[in-house]
Amino acid sequence: DAKTTQPTSMDCAEGRAANLPCNHSTISGNEYVYWYRQIHSQGPQYIIHGLKNNETNEMASLIITEDRKSSTLILPHATLRDTAVYYCIVIPYNQGGKLIFGQGTELSVKP
Amino acid sequence: EPEVTQTPSHQVTQMGQEVILRCVPISNHLYFYWYRQILGQKVEFLVSFYNNEISEKSEIFDDQFSVERPDGSNFTLKIRSTKLEDSAMYFCASRVGGTSGLEQYFGPGTRLTVT
Repeated sequence: DAKTTQPTSMDCAEGRAANLPCNHSTISGNEYVYWYRQIHSQGPQYIIHGLKNNETNEMASLIITEDRKSSTLILPHATLRDTAVYYCIVIPYNQGGKLIFGQGTELSVKP
Repeated sequence: EPEVTQTPSHQVTQMGQEVILRCVPISNHLYFYWYRQILGQKVEFLVSFYNNEISEKSEIFDDQFSVERPDGSNFTLKIRSTKLEDSAMYFCASRVGGTSGLEQYFGPGTRLTVT
């Protein structure tokens, strides 16, 4: 499975966009990029996923570079409730779908 | 909106005792998972379950662990003889299935404390 690299922590001002990067330089053609987050002690929460096109839903946008070696999760107007650990995970589409969590990025949204 | 539920929210047990953690996955989902998170550490995959059998398990999921879907709704994790190091949050997750349904939906977790 492709390995991902994320910054350990980031700060963001409330109301501003939070841009969370992820490197996945060894991603292969059959692997999706998934983003989850975990708010303190709660179960992880699915945010968004993509294969090669940019994606947007009610929670966030996902920008994937053309070579697919990196991606950025964008929370357009971060709120205090977005403070969480964000995980970028690469998953082969033709396997059982188990999630391998790394350390993630701890995002602190500050007033 | 449908959600995964887990009971109990907190379980305290003595070392050597058996515990059963219960989960009710989202009703039309076909794939089921257990993960655990030791305090301050990463979320770790334990086991995946599909079509009434284990499809994959991690090294953590040894003979002390078992999973079962006893009826059409519940999905359980049993630890036969608990150890102190089994103290952790245990999360159940489910997904609908198919190549476009890889997103998993997690329950709120059961905090297991082994004394």
